[in-house]
Amino acid sequence: QVQLVEFGGGVVQPGRSLRLSCAASGFTFNNFGMHWVRQAPGKGLEWVAVISDNGSNKHYGDSVKGRFTISRDNIDNRLYLQVNSLRDEDTAVYYCARDPGWGWDFDYWGQGTLVTVSS
Amino acid sequence: QSALTQPPSASGSPGQSVTISCTGTSSDVGNYTYVSWYQQHPGRAPKLMIYEVSKRPSGVPDRFSGSKSGNTASLTVSGLQAEDEADYYCSSYAGYNKVFGGGTKLTVL
Repeated sequence: QVQLVEFGGGVVQPGRSLRLSCAASGFTFNNFGMHWVRQAPGKGLEWVAVISDNGSNKHYGDSVKGRFTISRDNIDNRLYLQVNSLRDEDTAVYYCARDPGWGWDFDYWGQGTLVTVSS
Repeated sequence: QSALTQPPSASGSPGQSVTISCTGTSSDVGNYTYVSWYQQHPGRAPKLMIYEVSKRPSGVPDRFSGSKSGNTASLTVSGLQAEDEADYYCSSYAGYNKVFGGGTKLTVL
């Protein structure tokens, strides 16, 4: 069965960096685009970034453009999100999600990893 | 402030129907058929319930249906059941961007 497991979250000071990872299994990873979506505590969903199946195309939400970088390793079936210059408003649960191939939707989600930006 | 506008709450009694609206613009909901709906129970990851305005993924009950008119999309839940109580989010493709509504908390009375 499809499984997505995120890790790498934690408490980090403003301005610092973190790398989030997502381990994928149960499907042919290099056939699917992948996304990161985040949710601040008690708030709604916010799309963060997408990467195409082969990693050649990447797009970002306006609030993270220039600070976050999405990447993937199709050998190890891993998705990554490098988050730099962290701000208080980046505090959120970060989910990785699989793109089924239409309209940038998300058909499978991980359980999420919490990033807390605090001094 | 979310890009798409949803009512913060909705409610209905078991067996009743409830409709949740999602209003966007001609740059998102009004311009694409890629409108989707997600259900999220407390402490859980979201679940895709409707995609491409009105299609249901395998395993989603046919009590859930979607539609769109102009810049407004709607999710209807018929025959409400206790397990339908959750937060519901609409989303739309918006040209190399993905936007969400602020979410609607559905309460089953």
